[in-house]
Amino acid sequence: GESVGLHLPTLSVQEGDNSIINCAYSNSASDYFIWYKQESGKGPQFIIDIRSNMDKRQGQRVTVLLNKTVKHLSLQIAATQPGDSAVYFCAENNAGGTSYGKLTFGQGTILTVHP
Amino acid sequence: EAQVTQNPRYLITVTGKKLTVTCSQNMNHEYMSWYRQDPGLGLRQIYYSMNVEVTDKGDVPEGYKVSRKEKRNFPLILESPSPNQTSLYFCASSLSYPGLAGVEQYFGPGTRLTVT
Repeated sequence: GESVGLHLPTLSVQEGDNSIINCAYSNSASDYFIWYKQESGKGPQFIIDIRSNMDKRQGQRVTVLLNKTVKHLSLQIAATQPGDSAVYFCAENNAGGTSYGKLTFGQGTILTVHP
Repeated sequence: EAQVTQNPRYLITVTGKKLTVTCSQNMNHEYMSWYRQDPGLGLRQIYYSMNVEVTDKGDVPEGYKVSRKEKRNFPLILESPSPNQTSLYFCASSLSYPGLAGVEQYFGPGTRLTVT
């Protein structure tokens, strides 16, 4: 697949462990956040989103936590599986601003799950 | 099958030779966007389109043009490609703009462009 992960933060876990992937966002005006998963050779895939009026949102095996005070976002994956191995990106949007069509991505984190 | 398609998937070209990367979606989506992905930099938005005939700059628009004459198509044009535009390009579409909660953005398979 394509190599897009040079010099990215990495997280290595054992199958069945919980994973926590962190993201610091830059714009204090951002009010909507999304986590994407990108497998090797593919485009990013939506995982979960959260609005700034929430501090936690849960999906299937995933939880996103938002701390607006320190501009920090995290993605928790429960019972991580080998199929979760991918690059994970956070993205931010200012839905209430004039450029509400803009989406800014973070650098990404490589997650490797060992069987 | 609902999808975003891009063509070509791979392209090697020379500096200054105009090229177009096509993007098409069959989901009747209003919003479309182009990104480039470079090692260690994540995805950076080039241009986006909220609807037909409405386009706007993303974070890295220099050296690129787009048009949105029909809802389903959103071509990316490089009038005079340069080596610093060597990158992996992704087109994406969604029902509406990304900030609308629950609106999922669908990405194409990517186009690997090399400019020598």
